[in-house]
Amino acid sequence: ILNVEQSPQSLHVQEGDSTNFTCSFPSSNFYALHWYRWETAKSPEALFVMTLNGDEKKKGRISATLNTKEGYSYLYIKGSQPEDSATYLCASLYSSASKIIFGSGTRLSIRP
Amino acid sequence: NAGVTQTPKFRVLKTGQSMTLLCAQDMNHEYMYWYRQDPGMGLRLIHYSVGEGTTAKGEVPDGYNVSRLKKQNFLLGLESAAPSQTSVYFCASSYGTATYEQYFGPGTRLTVT
Repeated sequence: ILNVEQSPQSLHVQEGDSTNFTCSFPSSNFYALHWYRWETAKSPEALFVMTLNGDEKKKGRISATLNTKEGYSYLYIKGSQPEDSATYLCASLYSSASKIIFGSGTRLSIRP
Repeated sequence: NAGVTQTPKFRVLKTGQSMTLLCAQDMNHEYMYWYRQDPGMGLRLIHYSVGEGTTAKGEVPDGYNVSRLKKQNFLLGLESAAPSQTSVYFCASSYGTATYEQYFGPGTRLTVT
């Protein structure tokens, strides 16, 4: 059974601090990893799509890395702001479109 | 551009009733997906479609049927609703498969009593 684990489940961070969290996934037949940001009362929105081992992507203060050999990805947020408060989802995709496995997310709260 | 829209936003059904959830996208995407979201769990794929007229099963297809008669629409049907199908349902679409981001609709909250 394919399982994607995200840790921690929730995180409280002081405004201005940097933080990171983890997505672990089975590496066999891996095809791509997606990160989504999900704000309360909205729909998930894509942050990054990553495919290659060693990939690093950046969007503003948010960046992500990918290790496909050991099956993990890190998401980093530098200088957290209140608008970063959201649930961050990762999804691991395998060799066919039917194998899309989402983690249960990391809920991030930023304290002003 | 409306993106991905879902109808209805909320629905309450009695056990055994049927209903259809409609998903529409205006981005000319080939791929469309139906997920369910349950507390403490990640989004789980119910069915998906790789193009007009084609559908396939995802991780949790039992109790659901789908149709993709038009490229822009993806319908999810519950023939005989059960309390276990109480959930929030999300539709998504993408230009292609794994290497393309998915665009999500606003969700439909379904309660089966």
